[in-house]
Amino acid sequence: VQLQESGPGLLKPSETLSLTCTISGGSIRNTYWTWIRQPPGKGLEWIGYIYFNERPKYHPSLQSRITISVDTSNSLVSLQLRSVTAADTAVYYCAKFEAPYAMDVWGRGTTVTVSP
Amino acid sequence: DIQMTQSPSSLSASVGDRVTISCRASQTVTNFLNWYQQKPGKAPHLLVYGGSIVKSGVPSRFGGSGSGTDFTLTIRGVEPDDFATYYCQQSYRTPYTFGQGTKLDIK
Repeated sequence: VQLQESGPGLLKPSETLSLTCTISGGSIRNTYWTWIRQPPGKGLEWIGYIYFNERPKYHPSLQSRITISVDTSNSLVSLQLRSVTAADTAVYYCAKFEAPYAMDVWGRGTTVTVSP
Repeated sequence: DIQMTQSPSSLSASVGDRVTISCRASQTVTNFLNWYQQKPGKAPHLLVYGGSIVKSGVPSRFGGSGSGTDFTLTIRGVEPDDFATYYCQQSYRTPYTFGQGTKLDIK
């Protein structure tokens, strides 16, 4: 399975970030999919996960601003993050979560910069 | 949230050395502890999951041990390709959390 993130790259504060992760070489069903981000020069932060027919699970610190969804018809996993600030500047990764253990396949990541 | 603390934060080693990196959880994560390697500009990739299970295709010089709150990643005979940053991560309870990372560089 391969994952490829895509998104706008540059946003202004207060805008909504929309990212997609295209899944290829495997089924989007029966699998957990996660989003992780990494601010410049910093460590990794888990954002949330989704199983194709279940409610997603979000990081509590982001829960009021995010939506993760799955489009099974187009093999896409999407992330929306509303009201972005400079603190949301990061590389965003999608990853396959081999529950209950670990993220075993990662996309290459997409860089998001929030700047006026 | 479960806090994950790695030590040391950075480490210098020579090719062929045995290296150990520690990871401590603020509460038990039983064996739901994973290790990742990340090189500059690249995505992390999984080395060890379930505390001690080396992912298929990962060189046998990598090993993981521990349970509960204390875990160790060992590299037996460091090779040039191993100089990177290593992260532990717990998948016992959401929000899943990572250690701050340990940067391994060449002595």
